[in-house]
Amino acid sequence: AQKITQTQPGMFVQEKEAVTLDCTYDTSDQSYGLFWYKQPSSGEMIFLIYQGSYDEQNATEGRYSLNFQKARKSANLVISASQLGDSAMYFCAMSVYAGGTSYGKLTFGQGTILTVHP
Amino acid sequence: DVKVTQSSRYLVKRTGEKVFLECVQDMDHENMFWYRQDPGLGLRLIYFSYDVKMKEKGDIPEGYSVSREKKERFSLILESASTNQTSMYLCASSLDRGGNQPQHFGDGTRLSIL
Repeated sequence: AQKITQTQPGMFVQEKEAVTLDCTYDTSDQSYGLFWYKQPSSGEMIFLIYQGSYDEQNATEGRYSLNFQKARKSANLVISASQLGDSAMYFCAMSVYAGGTSYGKLTFGQGTILTVHP
Repeated sequence: DVKVTQSSRYLVKRTGEKVFLECVQDMDHENMFWYRQDPGLGLRLIYFSYDVKMKEKGDIPEGYSVSREKKERFSLILESASTNQTSMYLCASSLDRGGNQPQHFGDGTRLSIL
């Protein structure tokens, strides 16, 4: 079974500063993927970034980057130059490939609420 | 852009009623999912489907059933609603069986069972 742990229930950051949201995972599978989603107060889930377990480079998407440390089983999200619109709940999630029959199922962490102060 | 549409944003039902939550996606995705979201618990998978008429239980299927008669539509059914099923329900879809495809979500349905 897979498990995702997000240990920070809430985080605060000043506008224009960088912030790191923590995510650790547990799986015995060698092939897996890690995802980050953003959920604003309106409720929709927005896909931010993906990292595959065999990817050698850390994933980046604009102001988002994923600090992937495989040996530590961590996949932290780094948001650079925070904006007020970044205030939201952030979820880390994992899928495992298991011979190609994962069906894309995701296991989610509990989430971290990020508040950006002006 | 992928569009996943859930039939209601807010829904209020009574204990014992049969409740239908509908979800439609417009991108010919193979996989569809139903989650419930509760504070402090994240999203938990109720059921998923990887093809028409195919369904698999997720982590918390008790009290729920699903139907996928057409590829684009995935329905969640609460057979006899109970107050502990008051929650936010999210539908999602993804392209295929590969684990590297992101799921695309609907806006969610906030369901209250009185």
